[in-house]
Amino acid sequence: EAQVTQNPRYLITVTGKKLTVTCSQNMNHEYMSWYRQDPGLGLRQIYYSMNVEVTDKGDVPEGYKVSRKEKRNFPLILESPSPNQTSLYFCASSLALGNEQFFGPGTRLTVL
Amino acid sequence: AQSVTQLGSHVSVSEGALVLLRCNYSSSVPPYLFWYVQYPNQGLQLLLKYTTGATLVKGINGFEAEFKKSETSFHLTKPSAHMSDAAEYFCAVRVAGGTSYGKLTFGQGTILTVHP
Repeated sequence: EAQVTQNPRYLITVTGKKLTVTCSQNMNHEYMSWYRQDPGLGLRQIYYSMNVEVTDKGDVPEGYKVSRKEKRNFPLILESPSPNQTSLYFCASSLALGNEQFFGPGTRLTVL
Repeated sequence: AQSVTQLGSHVSVSEGALVLLRCNYSSSVPPYLFWYVQYPNQGLQLLLKYTTGATLVKGINGFEAEFKKSETSFHLTKPSAHMSDAAEYFCAVRVAGGTSYGKLTFGQGTILTVHP
């Protein structure tokens, strides 16, 4: 089944404790992206990648890192999480820029 | 830089009535435009998209949208609302060139409520 998977789905952590949210797609998509969703703000793009080893900042990259070493994986790294990074995070992928993005199920992160 | 404004954070209609969700964008280069729907506790699903060609775009579930360059708008419509249309809708823009080529910008979202 074609899909985007994210892990974990739910995470509660404390300020400053490094964490990684994994994202994987099995559709051989070139384009992958991370978003955060906050009430009243819609989805805001954190980082995106147009291919392996090619990443670029979205609208809200501060406090996040990403890597794209393999085509299928695009992990999101929070080196030192803070409470303002409490949010719902979505990973998405698409075959190319003009194509439909397929979204993962979301990861709800709480930073205490 | 591109931006998206969705007019109205909440829209309420009666079942069978016209649905109109408004979206205006700003972009210095030709845009790709998208509408997504999010049902409670789910991810986003593409309703329709405009890239090039015909400006009236038809999507799933009876929705359509018209790209109007002169008005920088991409409003979403459906002639007759159904209870199952109740969800949050997001408009998004991606530029087709320039320095922000891969960036996708979403609007704030519009929650659609459908009354019996």
